[in-house]
Amino acid sequence: DAKTTQPPSMDCAEGRAANLPCNHSTISGNEYVYWYRQIHSQGPQYIIHGLKNNETNEMASLIITEDRKSSTLILPHATLRDTAVYYCIVRVFNNAGNMLTFGGGTRLMVKP
Amino acid sequence: ETGVTQSPTHLIKTRGQQVTLRCSSQSGHNTVSWYQQALGQGPQFIFQYYREEENGRGNFPPRFSGLQFPNYSSELNVNALELDDSALYLCASSPSRGGASDRELFFGEGSRLTVL
Repeated sequence: DAKTTQPPSMDCAEGRAANLPCNHSTISGNEYVYWYRQIHSQGPQYIIHGLKNNETNEMASLIITEDRKSSTLILPHATLRDTAVYYCIVRVFNNAGNMLTFGGGTRLMVKP
Repeated sequence: ETGVTQSPTHLIKTRGQQVTLRCSSQSGHNTVSWYQQALGQGPQFIFQYYREEENGRGNFPPRFSGLQFPNYSSELNVNALELDDSALYLCASSPSRGGASDRELFFGEGSRLTVL
């Protein structure tokens, strides 16, 4: 699996956009970029995923660079409930299709 | 709410004992995977079950084993517990084995195991 690199922590003011970067320079052509988050003491929660194009859903937007070596997760209007650890994952599809390789993630702190 | 439930939520065991953790998958999901999350770290993949057979395994010893039942509920068994087995154990279900069209895993809240 391609590995990802994320900053260990970030702060964001409530109501502002939170931009969480991720580097995945060894990503291969058929690997998707997934984002999950984990709020304290809960299981990880799926946010969004993409292959090449930018994606948007009700939770967030995902911007993938043209060379696919990095991406940014954008929470457009962060709230206190968005405080969590955010994991950027490059997902491999094989016989162990649901094997997600989690790194250390980014601990996002949304402050009032 | 993901529809994935795990039990027990917390338990304490002593070194050398055996433990069984249980997971009830979301309705219609035929694939379940288990993850171990040590304190302060990201989850690590243990194994996956599809239609009652293991079809993928991470870097965990054989004393970690599992079962998936016809109703798609699942168990994780750990024998000869070690202190390092203390962790949050997460179960995740999905409607397929994980092809390119598969979108997400639905995680339960986890079972927190403490080994003394």
